Amino acid sequence: EAQVTQNPRYLITVTGKKLTVTCSQNMNHEYMSWYRQDPGLGLRQIYYSMNVEVTDKGDVPEGYKVSRKEKRNFPLILESPSPNQTSLYFCASSTNRGNGNEQFFGPGTRLTVL
Amino acid sequence: GEDVEQSLFLSVREGDSSVINCTYTDSSSTYLYWYKQEPGAGLQLLTYIFSNMDMKQDQRLTVLLNKKDKHLSLRIADTQTGDSAIYFCAESLSGYSTLTFGKGTMLLVSP
Repeated sequence: EAQVTQNPRYLITVTGKKLTVTCSQNMNHEYMSWYRQDPGLGLRQIYYSMNVEVTDKGDVPEGYKVSRKEKRNFPLILESPSPNQTSLYFCASSTNRGNGNEQFFGPGTRLTVL
Repeated sequence: GEDVEQSLFLSVREGDSSVINCTYTDSSSTYLYWYKQEPGAGLQLLTYIFSNMDMKQDQRLTVLLNKKDKHLSLRIADTQTGDSAIYFCAESLSGYSTLTFGKGTMLLVSP
């Protein structure tokens, strides 16, 4: 089944404790992206990657890191989480053709930083 | 810069038509999308329209695009309680995969 998976689905952590949210897709997509969703703010892009070893900042990259060592994986790293990073996070992937290509979304990771 | 605006909330009765509106500012937008987010789930693509089209119909869904006014709408005919969700409008430029999303419209369908 074609899908985007994220782990964990739910995470409660404390300020300053490094964490990684994994994202994996099995569709051989070149493009992958991370978003955060907050009430009243919609989806905002954190980072994206056009292909392996190519990453770029989105609209709200501060406090986050990503890596793209393999095509299928695009982990999101919070080196020192803070309470303002409490949010619902989505990973998405698509082909790079740019012709009305559909972005496939993961199920989301709900992160709470105390 | 790019900006996509939507009304935040719409309430309709089951069986009525729903119309969700969206405006965008980037005249270079080539593709415009409607995504649906059900409670506790990620976003799923409902439909998209290429900017040289005025209308696209897919079963109960009708998308209208007014490129002059930069206005996009999604009409859902015979709305059902299962259509209750958040609907996101999004735009992209040709050749680019990055999407710019609106804040989402919460559609509530009452029996």
